[in-house]
Parts: sequence; C-alpha cells; structure tokens
Amino acid sequence: EAQVTQNPRYLITVTGKKLTVTCSQNMNHEYMSWYRQDPGLGLRQIYYSMNVEVTDKGDVPEGYKVSRKEKRNFPLILESPSPNQTSLYFCASSLSRTSGRVRYEQYFGPGTRLTVT
Amino acid sequence: RKEVEQDPGPFNVPEGATVAFNCTYSNSASQSFFWYRQDCRKEPKLLMSVYSSGNEDGRFTAQLNRASQYISLLIRDSKLSDSATYLCVAHPNTGNQFYFGTGTSLTVIP
Repeated sequence: EAQVTQNPRYLITVTGKKLTVTCSQNMNHEYMSWYRQDPGLGLRQIYYSMNVEVTDKGDVPEGYKVSRKEKRNFPLILESPSPNQTSLYFCASSLSRTSGRVRYEQYFGPGTRLTVT
Repeated sequence: RKEVEQDPGPFNVPEGATVAFNCTYSNSASQSFFWYRQDCRKEPKLLMSVYSSGNEDGRFTAQLNRASQYISLLIRDSKLSDSATYLCVAHPNTGNQFYFGTGTSLTVIP
C-alpha cells in the first residue's frame, strides 16, 4: 500500500529535550516536505527536500533541522524544543514521473501532535 | 499578502445543495493547483488536481481562471460526509514550494 508514515503520532516533551520525528514514504517520490499546522494559520512549510542530500528552508525553518540521507526517509529534528513549537506536524511526499509526465500531488502522513511544556 | 487566500467560512448548507468555494493566488507563475479535504485533526487528503483549465470528478468540479488568478471548487448534491475543511494549494512548477490556503470550513446539514 502506497503511504507516508510518521512516528511518533503523539509526543509530549519538555523544553530543551532533543527529539526526532521520523517520516518514511514508499512511493519513490523525489520531493519530501514537513509542515506545521496551527489554528488560524493553516499549513506552513518548515523544510523540504528535492532529493537525497538536497534540503531547503520553507517559510518557518527556525528551530528545526532535517536530513535526507535516503530517498524514502526525511526526519525532522528539534534540537532544543520550545513551547512555541507545540503544533500538529505533517510530513508529505510528492513528485513522481510516469510515462514522461511529472505529477506534483502531495501525499500526507497521518500527523504528529507535539506538545512542548 | 498571502500567497493563497480562501474564504474561511464557515459554509453551512443543507443536504443536496450545490456549494462553491473560491481561492485566489498571488504568484502568476503557479502552474499546478490542488484541492484537499481535511477532517478534524486528520491529514489532508487529495481531492482534485488541476493542471490545465479544470477537472471534474463525479460531484466535484474544479475550475481554473488564470487571467483572474483564482481557482474554484464546486460540490453538487452535497452529502453529510462532505463536511470537512477544504484546502486550496498552489505550486509554481519552476519553484519548490507549495502554498496552502488556510482552508474553508463546510458543514452539510441534514
């Protein structure tokens, strides 16, 4: 089954304790991305990656790190979480090439609800 | 100005009604557009893609107006199960980012 998986789904942590949220896709997508969703602000892009070893900042990258060592995985790292990073996080993957046609539809993971106290 | 703007609603419509949402985008380089539906606290799920002038899938029709830089979503014969938040997304193919609207809330009433 084609899917994007994220772990953990729920996480409560304390300020300053490093954490990693994993993301994996099995669709051979080149593009992967992390978003956070907050009430009234919609989905905001944190970081994205066009391919292995290629990452770029989105609109709200401060306080986050990412890596893309393999095509299927794109972990999100919070080195020193703070309460303003309490949010709902989504990983997504995109960009497939079929019969010479490029498709940009994004498919989302189930989300990670993070609370930082 | 936001890259993508949507009327947040809420839209409350009776079952069977036809409802339309509009979404405007500011980047004229945007080439691909998508409508997603999102149920409360769940992940966005792809509803429709628009790469040219429009797309139709059953009760759902999306239309793109490049001159006025807006994309619309029409839902015919609304069902209770259509109640959700609908997100509009623009993607400039030459760029690498996706721009989301904040979503339009729809409630279909029995």
